[in-house]
Amino acid sequence: GIQVEQSPPDLILQEGANSTLRCNFSDSVNNLQWFHQNPWGQLINLFYIPSGTKQNGRLSATTVATERYSLLYISSSQTTDSGVYFCAVAYSGAGSYQLTFGKGTKLSVIP
Amino acid sequence: ETGVTQSPTHLIKTRGQQVTLRCSSQSGHNTVSWYQQALGQGPQFIFQYYREEENGRGNFPPRFSGLQFPNYSSELNVNALELDDSALYLCASSSGQGGEQYFGPGTRLTVT
Repeated sequence: GIQVEQSPPDLILQEGANSTLRCNFSDSVNNLQWFHQNPWGQLINLFYIPSGTKQNGRLSATTVATERYSLLYISSSQTTDSGVYFCAVAYSGAGSYQLTFGKGTKLSVIP
Repeated sequence: ETGVTQSPTHLIKTRGQQVTLRCSSQSGHNTVSWYQQALGQGPQFIFQYYREEENGRGNFPPRFSGLQFPNYSSELNVNALELDDSALYLCASSSGQGGEQYFGPGTRLTVT
């Protein structure tokens, strides 16, 4: 099956700093989603971005499908940005467009 | 617009018992997927239901089974519970099989 690798596994930032999270995947994909998982376990949709660039406030994402990677940018980080960020990909070869998740990046933003 | 809801929130069961988890999909969504998330790991795909039919299954044994109802809500059933089944169970709905998936708050299952 498809492999998804996220880096870095852990990241500690001072409030106000910027960061870049990376997601590499091993095969062509139809969908790519970024999520933020809060401390209560809720997965919050950040971006649906199989290709191209999108921005939403302080967050933006870029997926380069031909090179099989995606980047999530967080600018002017806030303590509320803390949590685990997951990249997940789906491809039609599995028949069901199931999402395959990476292991996540645990972000801690300190005041 | 109502989002994805799951019940119950928490559940404690004994090894060998059976459990049923429930999920209501977001309005307008006809596809439901179930995932298991062990502590410290990313979610793992269990199976997907599209128009009341199972449409893809991950690497989970047959004691994990499910249903989708005409209103697109869904159930996940797990028989003969094992200690390793302790996890957060997440349900996601989407509009069509390849659409963006939206997750519910999850059910945290503890097997003792």
